[in-house]
Amino acid sequence: KQEVTQIPAALSVPEGENLVLNCSFTDSAIYNLQWFRQDPGKGLTSLLLIQSSQREQTSGRLNASLDKSSGRSTLYIAASQPGDSATYLCAVGGRGGATNKLIFGTGTLLAVQP
Amino acid sequence: DTAVSQTPKYLVTQMGNDKSIKCEQNLGHDTMYWYKQDSKKFLKIMFSYNNKELIINETVPNRFSPKSPDKAHLNLHINSLELGDSAVYFCASTNVWNTEAFFGQGTRLTVV
Repeated sequence: KQEVTQIPAALSVPEGENLVLNCSFTDSAIYNLQWFRQDPGKGLTSLLLIQSSQREQTSGRLNASLDKSSGRSTLYIAASQPGDSATYLCAVGGRGGATNKLIFGTGTLLAVQP
Repeated sequence: DTAVSQTPKYLVTQMGNDKSIKCEQNLGHDTMYWYKQDSKKFLKIMFSYNNKELIINETVPNRFSPKSPDKAHLNLHINSLELGDSAVYFCASTNVWNTEAFFGQGTRLTVV
């Protein structure tokens, strides 16, 4: 059974710092991995999607990497800003049929202090 | 244009009532989902539909009944609501090969 864990559960950093959020999963047979952001009381915003054949994806100040064999992904945020404060969720996806779903991690609550 | 929209955003109701949440996507996706986010913010799949056909039912009580009138709509009907049903319910959609998932804004259900 796939389990997804995120470390740390919470993180507080001063503005301008670079930071890394970690995601690990127990079953390497994934189709893709997606990072989301959730603001309080809001829905999920997709940040980056990495297919299982890819090693990394970049969008602006965000870079996500995937090491399928070791069951790990990291989300790197460069030059953090107070507006980056939110909960970050990673989720692994299967392909087709009963595996066509996302299994979510427990989330990392990020606070960027001005 | 909102890609995945669900209504209502907030729902407060008494125990024992029956309620529905509606979801629509305009992305042309084949697959739609309901996820539940509990009080600890953990998100878990409830149902998925592909082209109006139920694919995933993750041991959800049969008081929950999804209905998909067409591939752009997936509604969730809940009978005999219980206190433990209080949560945020998210609708989502992907194409059939489960590439990027798009989520609605969520419906916060409070059962009193």
